[in-house]
Amino acid sequence: GQNIDQPTEMTATEGAIVQINCTYQTSGFNGLFWYQQHAGEAPTFLSYNVLDGLEEKGRFSSFLSRSKGYSYLLLKELQMKDSASYLCAPRKGAGSYQLTFGKGTKLSVIP
Amino acid sequence: DVKVTQSSRYLVKRTGEKVFLECVQDMDHENMFWYRQDPGLGLRLIYFSYDVKMKEKGDIPEGYSVSREKKERFSLILESASTNQTSMYLCASSLGLGQAHNQPQHFGDGTRLSIL
Repeated sequence: GQNIDQPTEMTATEGAIVQINCTYQTSGFNGLFWYQQHAGEAPTFLSYNVLDGLEEKGRFSSFLSRSKGYSYLLLKELQMKDSASYLCAPRKGAGSYQLTFGKGTKLSVIP
Repeated sequence: DVKVTQSSRYLVKRTGEKVFLECVQDMDHENMFWYRQDPGLGLRLIYFSYDVKMKEKGDIPEGYSVSREKKERFSLILESASTNQTSMYLCASSLGLGQAHNQPQHFGDGTRLSIL
């Protein structure tokens, strides 16, 4: 099975940097996705990691350490519109189409 | 841009009714998925399909069935709706794993279903 752990809630200030951590346990790693979900809306894709290291995409970066079962999402220059839930979702295993979603981290950006 | 369209944004049904939720995608994706999302429980996979007429159970298939007669359409069926099936239902689609390893699942806007 899969165990995914991420903080339930975080608060950060506009313009700051925030790091959202995710730890996971999978039987055979095959990639990890991060999604953003605004309240009442569908999740939208943010980033993907399959190899160790940092993937940068504008203000958003995601890091992966496969040996530690650990990933984080880094958001820089926070804006009010970044207030949303952030979902960590590793693939279920080698050759699997399925994702298992964490319960999400609700980020509140305050002025 | 990928478009995943769910037939209803809001739906209210009665206990015991047979309920159909429809999902259509326009990007010729092989894989389609149905999730439900509940506060404190996150997104949970009900069923998925990797090809026409093919289906596999997800983590919580009980009380649900699915149909995929055409590649672009994936239907979720609540055989006899119960109040504990009140939830937000999300459909998603993606390319087949062999084609594009890093391709994400794309989600529809969701159907908020209330069973009274």
